[in-house]
Amino acid sequence: NAGVMQNPRHLVRRRGQEARLRCSPMKGHSHVYWYRQLPEEGLKFMVYLQKENIIDESGMPKERFSAEFPKEGPSILRIQQVVRGDSAAYFCASSPSQGIEQETQYFGPGTRLLVL
Amino acid sequence: AQKVTQAQTEISVVEKEDVTLDCVYETRDTTYYLFWYKQPPSGELVFLIRRNSFDEQNEISGRYSWNFQKSTSSFNFTITASQVVDSAVYFCALSEANFGNEKLTFGTGTRLTIIP
Repeated sequence: NAGVMQNPRHLVRRRGQEARLRCSPMKGHSHVYWYRQLPEEGLKFMVYLQKENIIDESGMPKERFSAEFPKEGPSILRIQQVVRGDSAAYFCASSPSQGIEQETQYFGPGTRLLVL
Repeated sequence: AQKVTQAQTEISVVEKEDVTLDCVYETRDTTYYLFWYKQPPSGELVFLIRRNSFDEQNEISGRYSWNFQKSTSSFNFTITASQVVDSAVYFCALSEANFGNEKLTFGTGTRLTIIP
């Protein structure tokens, strides 16, 4: 049973470019979460999505950041016009919609974004 | 607002020693979940344990044990007979349990180094 998949694992962008981070949840999981980890810090919640719906985006910056989880395909975290402060590790997690494991989020390996 | 405090930023112990990682949390909810995750040098996040607020029984899994005390709002993690492979950053996290699938609030992590 494959775990949460994220790609790319490493992404280098120049200031002003766009970054697209992809996340495929574990099989059978319909809930996806994105977190950001700045260097030497803990993880901060950004957004929580179900298929075709954003449930909670309270941790997402209002500008330049967007997320989607379409009916088909992976969840995408998109950062427009990246700045150096966006350099971080971005983690995706998934959980099932019901059952005893509903409360447990399983994380992908992360995407390390470096903005030059 | 929820908050998780891991006061120990870094801990170093000699291999085979026991070590306890502290976690103190704050929440207004009566129902919540607590978690520990491990982040080894390779960078991924590994789920270790989930505990709900109604279950205060201590848990043991091999060399790992967890002590949950609601009276002091603590959820401490002990590694017995530490090994070099235990070297990692350990994160404590908290989520509400209102309707399931809630975002996680993380502590800032404790970097554990096991000295051979």
